[in-house]
Amino acid sequence: TQLLEQSPQFLSIQEGENLTVYCNSSSVFSSLQWYRQEPGEGPVLLVTVVTGGEVKKLKRLTFQFGDARKDSSLHITAAQPGDTGLYLCAGGGSGGSNYKLTFGKGTLLTVNP
Amino acid sequence: GAGVSQSPRYKVAKRGQDVALRCDPISGHVSLFWYQQALGQGPEFLTYFQNEAQLDKSGLPSDRFFAERPEGSVSTLKIQRTQQEDSAVYLCASSLMGLAGGQETQYFGPGTRLLVL
Repeated sequence: TQLLEQSPQFLSIQEGENLTVYCNSSSVFSSLQWYRQEPGEGPVLLVTVVTGGEVKKLKRLTFQFGDARKDSSLHITAAQPGDTGLYLCAGGGSGGSNYKLTFGKGTLLTVNP
Repeated sequence: GAGVSQSPRYKVAKRGQDVALRCDPISGHVSLFWYQQALGQGPEFLTYFQNEAQLDKSGLPSDRFFAERPEGSVSTLKIQRTQQEDSAVYLCASSLMGLAGGQETQYFGPGTRLLVL
């Protein structure tokens, strides 16, 4: 069974601070996706990383996929209250099950004004 | 915009009742997924359809759970004889291709929050 561990589980910071959340596994994933989920809504895809060592930037968010494709990080620069939400990482399966996503438990981020 | 819609948004059931949860995927999306998200957890895969074919039901917790997509569009997740441990948010997602594209985007609906008393 492939497991994804996310840390920290909870994070409360002030507006303007920087933060990094982590997603780790002992398994190799074909791809790694990051989602943000707001209360009462479904997860919304932020980014997909595929290649080991890949770095992607989305405005103030920087995503990195580990060289061995087992871990990933999300860094947010100058956090804003609108960044508040549950950040989930999800690993894609391999071979014929590459459609199947395995999610971590998420990091619940609160950005205080 | 026409995203994934789910109904009802909230459902309260007494233990032992049967429930049916509906998902309307994005028009033209071949693949449809159901996930279960317990409180404080990430979504867990339940089942996967490509058109009307249920290709993977390995995540369904028990034989009380049944999903169908008879015409390859709308899907229904049915839970028979509900138990308290079935209380969770049930999320539906759709994607354009699914099996052929491992990294393609899954679009999630808002979920149905099920509470079994």
